[in-house]
Amino acid sequence: SQQGEEDPQALSIQEGENATMNCSYKTSINNLQWYRQNSGRGLVHLILIRSNEREKHSGRLRVTLDTSKKSSSLLITASRAADTASYFCATPGGISSGSARQLTFGSGTQLTVLP
Amino acid sequence: KAGVTQTPRYLIKTRGQQVTLSCSPISGHRSVSWYQQTPGQGLQFLFEYFSETQRNKGNFPGRFSGRQFSNSRSEMNVSTLELGDSALYLCASSLVISDYGYTFGSGTRLTVV
Repeated sequence: SQQGEEDPQALSIQEGENATMNCSYKTSINNLQWYRQNSGRGLVHLILIRSNEREKHSGRLRVTLDTSKKSSSLLITASRAADTASYFCATPGGISSGSARQLTFGSGTQLTVLP
Repeated sequence: KAGVTQTPRYLIKTRGQQVTLSCSPISGHRSVSWYQQTPGQGLQFLFEYFSETQRNKGNFPGRFSGRQFSNSRSEMNVSTLELGDSALYLCASSLVISDYGYTFGSGTRLTVV
């Protein structure tokens, strides 16, 4: 089962616009990670935010974390056609408090950036 | 340095057969995890190996098994294949400490017919 849900499920924007994706999770976390996946290929780690951080930046990516609301958002600024992909949030630690190295993924947001 | 290598990339098997997938982690990474991705269930954790020992297992039937070798390479095996086992199987390697991101391979696309 999924740890959380992502919103929206699909997002279509024009090149140059910003894209915002949201993720909600259910259990307490040590960190939250965002991954990108192109067309059913492997996942690429984008950014990790720790539970004591509220905001983190990496290039055109900005991630926020609100542990009181158990939610996170990923903002991609000045989007490009090459950003077209599925984006997933993931948290370590299974629902049944298994290994800290077990990732539980959200359902993903499919982002399409139109040229 | 080389990334996570999964072989084969694509596989077509018949119901009832068994299959073995391979994963070579990044050099120095001792933890290897396996995930199944399907359109219906999304990304689901299968199991994790560290130092040749299975440390955690997801909610999958016993037909799914795996192992890790002394060089950290890992294999997963699915016996008595069912149509529902058709999926993208992803391997991820990581350092011992979980507070870092994971590096995923490109996956093995398994189709059961």
